[in-house]
Amino acid sequence: KAGVTQTPRYLIKTRGQQVTLSCSPISGHRSVSWYQQTPGQGLQFLFEYFSETQRNKGNFPGRFSGRQFSNSRSEMNVSTLELGDSALYLCASSSWGLSYEQYFGPGTRLTVT
Amino acid sequence: GENVEQHPSTLSVQEGDSAVIKCTYSDSASNYFPWYKQELGKRPQLIIDIRSNVGEKKDQRIAVTLNKTAKHFSLHITETQPEDSAVYFCAAINNQGGKLIFGQGTELSVKP
Repeated sequence: KAGVTQTPRYLIKTRGQQVTLSCSPISGHRSVSWYQQTPGQGLQFLFEYFSETQRNKGNFPGRFSGRQFSNSRSEMNVSTLELGDSALYLCASSSWGLSYEQYFGPGTRLTVT
Repeated sequence: GENVEQHPSTLSVQEGDSAVIKCTYSDSASNYFPWYKQELGKRPQLIIDIRSNVGEKKDQRIAVTLNKTAKHFSLHITETQPEDSAVYFCAAINNQGGKLIFGQGTELSVKP
């Protein structure tokens, strides 16, 4: 099976702009989770989608949002970008219900200037 | 709230020695504990995991132990090799969904 893919891999944006990141899970996986990775804060959970519904949400402001489509692909959106949003955004997919194992995509490196 | 503490933050060993990384979790409902290895510039890779109904699991040179009473789990790497050098993350999850709570990470350096 193909692994988790994310697009784009790199992104440079200016403060105040918005950005949309995409994640395609492993075929058959219905759960997609998003994480933010920074040197200072480590890996932090953003939210999880399962069968097109947000099932869990982390402690991030409302500027961070997401959605999942019927084919399980997921997008996350960050509006009104701030310098502190610069990070590696990782998504992970899981066949929740059959296994708890989460497999990560390569990530999208977002730089906000 | 949910929290996972991981120690040490850095660990340097000689090739062939053993390495141990320890984690403590706070959520009593946690029932699955994976370990990830992340090499520089790469994605986190699942290397081993353990469920709450198991006390120990081994896969070749790596093993994980779980003490539910103490809310403590550990990663053991034996006969370390330079290619084991990476950042290792522990994590915990409960059956409410795919929300992994990660430890802060341990940078392991294996010197030839």
